Amino acid sequence: DAGITQSPRHKVTETGTPVTLRCHQTENHRYMYWYRQDPGHGLRLIHYSYGVKDTDKGEVSDGYSVSRSKTEDFLLTLESATSSQTSVYFCATQQGLGEQYFGPGTRLTVT
Amino acid sequence: DQQVKQNSPSLSVQEGRISILNCDYTNSMFDYFLWYKKYPAEGPTFLISISSIKDKNEDGRFTVFLNKSAKHLSLHIVPSQPGDSAVYFCAASAQGGSEKLVFGKGTKLTVNP
Repeated sequence: DAGITQSPRHKVTETGTPVTLRCHQTENHRYMYWYRQDPGHGLRLIHYSYGVKDTDKGEVSDGYSVSRSKTEDFLLTLESATSSQTSVYFCATQQGLGEQYFGPGTRLTVT
Repeated sequence: DQQVKQNSPSLSVQEGRISILNCDYTNSMFDYFLWYKKYPAEGPTFLISISSIKDKNEDGRFTVFLNKSAKHLSLHIVPSQPGDSAVYFCAASAQGGSEKLVFGKGTKLTVNP
């Protein structure tokens, strides 16, 4: 198990407010990912990183931005939260080929 | 366009019997496949994987079968146990697993005692 923590674990926020979710890993894995999980949609990739300061968009990146200034931290920011961004967010890491390791998730509610 | 499809949203089996979860894919570039298990309020955990150079991979009670010509894979759990009750996600990747994972929507397995 890669040591992956996510903070906060739960958050309720209002429409229009900025929100930042943090993912922290202790395994020095190169790749990091942000997914959202919604009923009927499974896991969808928001953004990913293949190294410090190297990030790229996933399939549902609109309304989200990311930053990775250190190997261990990958931040997901909702600049102006909307109700459609109510979801469970998972961070994952990957060292090379093969499986990704997931964090425990952050449940975000936008009212 | 859904590249990885799990057409059964749910499956219910009796304890001790076999559970068979199915997954279909459309992208012929996929050559590495994974199954993840997810309990409520937890992150997905890796279960088993298979490369396209194989057609079967076993790990204890879990076996994954790959039929490349049909673009189909399945996860067999024998015997099923109540603790196996979870959502199972199929995922696929290209370039031997170096490309991004594409996930199916998941199948909720319930194993009844």
